[in-house]
Amino acid sequence: RKEVEQDPGPFNVPEGATVAFNCTYSNSASQSFFWYRQDCRKEPKLLMSVYSSGNEDGRFTAQLNRASQYISLLIRDSKLSDSATYLCVVIRGNTPLVFGKGTRLSVIA
Amino acid sequence: DVKVTQSSRYLVKRTGEKVFLECVQDMDHENMFWYRQDPGLGLRLIYFSYDVKMKEKGDIPEGYSVSREKKERFSLILESASTNQTSMYLCASMGSVSNYGYTFGSGTRLTVV
Repeated sequence: RKEVEQDPGPFNVPEGATVAFNCTYSNSASQSFFWYRQDCRKEPKLLMSVYSSGNEDGRFTAQLNRASQYISLLIRDSKLSDSATYLCVVIRGNTPLVFGKGTRLSVIA
Repeated sequence: DVKVTQSSRYLVKRTGEKVFLECVQDMDHENMFWYRQDPGLGLRLIYFSYDVKMKEKGDIPEGYSVSREKKERFSLILESASTNQTSMYLCASMGSVSNYGYTFGSGTRLTVV
C-alpha cells in the first residue's frame, strides 16, 4: 500500500460547484499534513496546512481524521482559476515530505 | 518570502554527457531536496541533504549524485545522462521547523537526446 493515496481524477466540475478531495495515509506516525497546488508545467506551491481541528481559508476547507487516517480538501464556489492538480502531503518527524500523486481538477465555464 | 532558484528552466543534453543542475535558496534553510516528476508517477525523491556536506539517498538515487558544499546550494549531478532521465527536476528547501512545508524552485525540464 502506498504511503499516501489520492484519487487521480480528473474531477470536472462547473463553475460555482463544491468539490471535495480525499487523501488517505498509511503511517499512523504521520504528524503534519498539507495540501499543495500545482498548475500545469509549474512547481507545487503550498495551499494550506491541515490542522487537527480543521481549518478554513476563504473558499477552501481542510480537515483531518486521524482515526481513519485521511485528510480532505473542500473547495466551495469553484472558480476557473482553481483548475490545477492538488497534492496531498504528509510529514513524519524529520524526514522528507511524502507526496501523493495528486488529484486533477478542471473547473468548466 | 523564501526563494529557491534553479539555474535553468529548460535544458537539452546528449546521452552520455555529465549534467549539473544547480539549486540555490536564500533563507538559510538546513534541508534541501531533489525530486523528479513524471506523468503518472508523481514526485519521486532522488536525494536530500540535512546540512552542509551531508547527503542521503532518496527513493531513486541510481544514476545521480549530489553535492552540498555550501548551505545555500544543492547540486544534482547526472554522471552520464540517459534518455530515461528526461524529466522535470524540482529542487525544494525547508527550514528546521517542518510545519511550514517545502518551498520549491520553478523546476528544470531536462531533455536527454
